[in-house]
Amino acid sequence: SQQGEEDPQALSIQEGENATMNCSYKTSINNLQWYRQNSGRGLVHLILIRSNEREKHSGRLRVTLDTSKKSSSLLITASRAADTASYFCATVRSSNTGKLIFGQGTTLQVKP
Amino acid sequence: GAVVSQHPSRVICKSGTSVKIECRSLDFQATTMFWYRQFPKQSLMLMATSNEGSKATYEQGVEKDKFLINHASLTLSTLTVTSAHPEDSSFYICSASRQGAWTGELFFGEGSRLTVL
Repeated sequence: SQQGEEDPQALSIQEGENATMNCSYKTSINNLQWYRQNSGRGLVHLILIRSNEREKHSGRLRVTLDTSKKSSSLLITASRAADTASYFCATVRSSNTGKLIFGQGTTLQVKP
Repeated sequence: GAVVSQHPSRVICKSGTSVKIECRSLDFQATTMFWYRQFPKQSLMLMATSNEGSKATYEQGVEKDKFLINHASLTLSTLTVTSAHPEDSSFYICSASRQGAWTGELFFGEGSRLTVL
């Protein structure tokens, strides 16, 4: 079963604007990961944040994690048309297995 | 980064036939591989966890006799959709976890789109 919800389900912005996507989950986790998927393609790992971390940065990406609220957010700054894709959060409950449970995803469209 | 290859990328078959999808880790050994299914405009649903040399662990609601998984080596796992029906049409994606110290990241294949006529 799916771990949680993401919102918004769809987001449309202009190039240069920031995009924020939120993810909520239901159980305790070892870490939370964000992935990107271009239409009809496989997934690309973006960033991993562990349960004892609160914020992480990678280039134009900023991820936060609030374990008390069981939520995470992904911020993409200065968006580009090439950022158009679906973004999924995924949680790992146990470090022993690597089993990922995905959220529903946010479809981002960045207009040039 | 590590590379995971899936084959075929697209397959069309007639109802009642069986289809095999391969997932290979090209530059690392994968103790564990995962198989996901994704319907259009939906998220990935975990189907099963495949461990090298042992039986796969299936998620609730996934028929193990319908979706046969074999993980015969540290670089190859196969998913066979047996007696495929139109409702099995979907995008199937595998991912692999490196053997040894687990870094947390999974490496995904490009997916295999199955269309059952």
